[in-house]
Amino acid sequence: AQSVAQPEDQVNVAEGNPLTVKCTYSVSGNPYLFWYVQYPNRGLQFLLKYITGDNLVKGSYGFEAEFNKSQTSFHLKKPSALVSDSALYFCAVRDIGNTGFQKLVFGTGTRLLVSP
Amino acid sequence: DGGITQSPKYLFRKEGQNVTLSCEQNLNHDAMYWYRQDPGQGLRLIYYSQIVNDFQKGDIAEGYSVSREKKESFPLTVTSAQKNPTAFYLCASSIDGRQGRSYEQYFGPGTRLTVT
Repeated sequence: AQSVAQPEDQVNVAEGNPLTVKCTYSVSGNPYLFWYVQYPNRGLQFLLKYITGDNLVKGSYGFEAEFNKSQTSFHLKKPSALVSDSALYFCAVRDIGNTGFQKLVFGTGTRLLVSP
Repeated sequence: DGGITQSPKYLFRKEGQNVTLSCEQNLNHDAMYWYRQDPGQGLRLIYYSQIVNDFQKGDIAEGYSVSREKKESFPLTVTSAQKNPTAFYLCASSIDGRQGRSYEQYFGPGTRLTVT
């Protein structure tokens, strides 16, 4: 089965500094990878995805992610963090079920805290 | 949270009662999903539906039931058989869930269910 791991429960960064939220994956075949963000008591918002092509993927709100096949990683990055970026971030990978129907498998989430 | 609505936002029930959570989308998406979110566990898939009148069990379907009588609606019933129903429930949809198409999922704002 496909899976992703988010090794950090929480990441702390000062406003204006670069941020990285880590994600590693385990898949058979080519990975389809996604990043989502969740603000308190809200649903998840799609940030970006990697399907194929350039290893650096740009997404919403100035976020980007780097796909690294040799390290099986898909880390989320932003050059300059904002306090408003503080939220819960989820990495996800596509999985194909027995019926051929695709679904997402999510990591456990990483809480990002950006201090002023 | 796009064109997906979930109601109510907060729901309180007594143990032993069935409760139905509403999910409606106006995105004309074929696929719909129900997830459960618990602290530290990420999102777990309860049920998913590829098309009207069809749905499949996800990873934690026990104690839950769904229906898909209309394309835009995918209600979830939490039955008294669910051992730990207190959680945050998220509904999502995507254009098409079939293999070979990797469309991101869009999430509703969620319903927080508390059972006492």
